[in-house]
Amino acid sequence: ETAVFQTPNYHVTQVGNEVSFNCKQTLGHDTMYWYKQDSKKLLKIMFSYNNKQLIVNETVPRRFSPQSSDKAHLNLRIKSVEPEDSAVYLCASRTANSDYTFGSGTRLLVI
Amino acid sequence: GEKVEQHQSTLSVREGDSAVINCTYTDTASSYFPWYKQEAGKSLHFVIDIRSNVDRKQSQRLTVLLDKKAKRFSLHITATQPEDSAIYFCAASISGGNYKPTFGKGTSLVVHP
Repeated sequence: ETAVFQTPNYHVTQVGNEVSFNCKQTLGHDTMYWYKQDSKKLLKIMFSYNNKQLIVNETVPRRFSPQSSDKAHLNLRIKSVEPEDSAVYLCASRTANSDYTFGSGTRLLVI
Repeated sequence: GEKVEQHQSTLSVREGDSAVINCTYTDTASSYFPWYKQEAGKSLHFVIDIRSNVDRKQSQRLTVLLDKKAKRFSLHITATQPEDSAIYFCAASISGGNYKPTFGKGTSLVVHP
């Protein structure tokens, strides 16, 4: 099956903890993204990465960092979570000739 | 930077009626306008797009219209069905290069049986 796979589906953690979310795509796409969707469903791009260039949205706090081993994987680490980080994190991929394919999302709850 | 406004936060129609979701954008350089659907509890998926070299594109029951002069584009769904109920997001981007669409806030479409 070719798709974008995200784990975990759901994660609950306490303020100050570190979390990591995984994303893998089997579509052969060359660019991957992380989006944050807040409780109002607003979508904001966090990072895009095409194995050569990492582009960071300047509004993303420094506690967020992307981690990639190859063009099929783009993980997201949050060093010290804060309550406002509670959201759904969506991973996506695309190639020059296609639109986004999104993963199913990771819902983070910070308590 | 680009701003995309999606003016209706909710839209309610009866099954079989048509639904129209409207969006506006600000950047004249935007030339690619995709639409995404997010069903309850699920992720987004692409449904249809339009590029600035045309003003209309149809795919089955979905039609997208683009008015470049007014910087406005819209999604038309005919013969709505309950499974069309979802949040629809419009987006705008430049083509190619550093693809980074700006999304609207979403319109929640409810199709009543």
